[in-house]
Amino acid sequence: GAVVSQHPSRVICKSGTSVKIECRSLDFQATTMFWYRQFPKKSLMLMATSNEGSKATYEQGVEKDKFLINHASLTLSTLTVTSAHPEDSSFYICSARAGTINNEQFFGPGTRLTVL
Amino acid sequence: AQSVTQLDSHVSVSEGTPVLLRCNYSSSYSPSLFWYVQHPNKGLQLLLKYTSAATLVKGINGFEAEFKKSETSFHLTKPSAHMSDAAEYFCVVSSSGGYNKLIFGAGTRLAVHP
Repeated sequence: GAVVSQHPSRVICKSGTSVKIECRSLDFQATTMFWYRQFPKKSLMLMATSNEGSKATYEQGVEKDKFLINHASLTLSTLTVTSAHPEDSSFYICSARAGTINNEQFFGPGTRLTVL
Repeated sequence: AQSVTQLDSHVSVSEGTPVLLRCNYSSSYSPSLFWYVQHPNKGLQLLLKYTSAATLVKGINGFEAEFKKSETSFHLTKPSAHMSDAAEYFCVVSSSGGYNKLIFGAGTRLAVHP
């Protein structure tokens, strides 16, 4: 299958700082990328959907000013957690899809964010 | 609205014995259903998918699932567990077909003992 990478794999930051997470599709062009959040021993919750070159669509309850998503190219999307707080500590996972909704989503390995 | 319920948070089996991971879904229309596996430090991997074709779906690594509309179930099975099958498994439904917005179940952790 296609490969999606995330960087960094782990990040620890102080409360009040901002953290950027990158999601890259390595061998295909991703017209759509998705960002998920996974709490410990819980399921994945979709945060937002982004299409290349347009604004992200956020799920209900997700603060768009806190979780900034940029999908500036067909191979890169970034999630910036602004003014991070300890409750933002979580596992963030991206996925990427080429073309239409009938094309498979490929998932990245995830980024563990710890806010002190 | 679509949702999935995974009936067991943990399943423990012995190597070589059958695996059954249970999933029930709720959907207002004919759903697309998936099973994904998550190994530590690796991305979620698609095991199999159902998209309104054959009700018995065969996936990778010997896994299969049967779509039963009358029971609103999509249970995952494997005849003989291997140690490498130990992982977290997610039953997933698509909100509007295909690989559009995916709605994940809570997950089932499968442990395989020698």
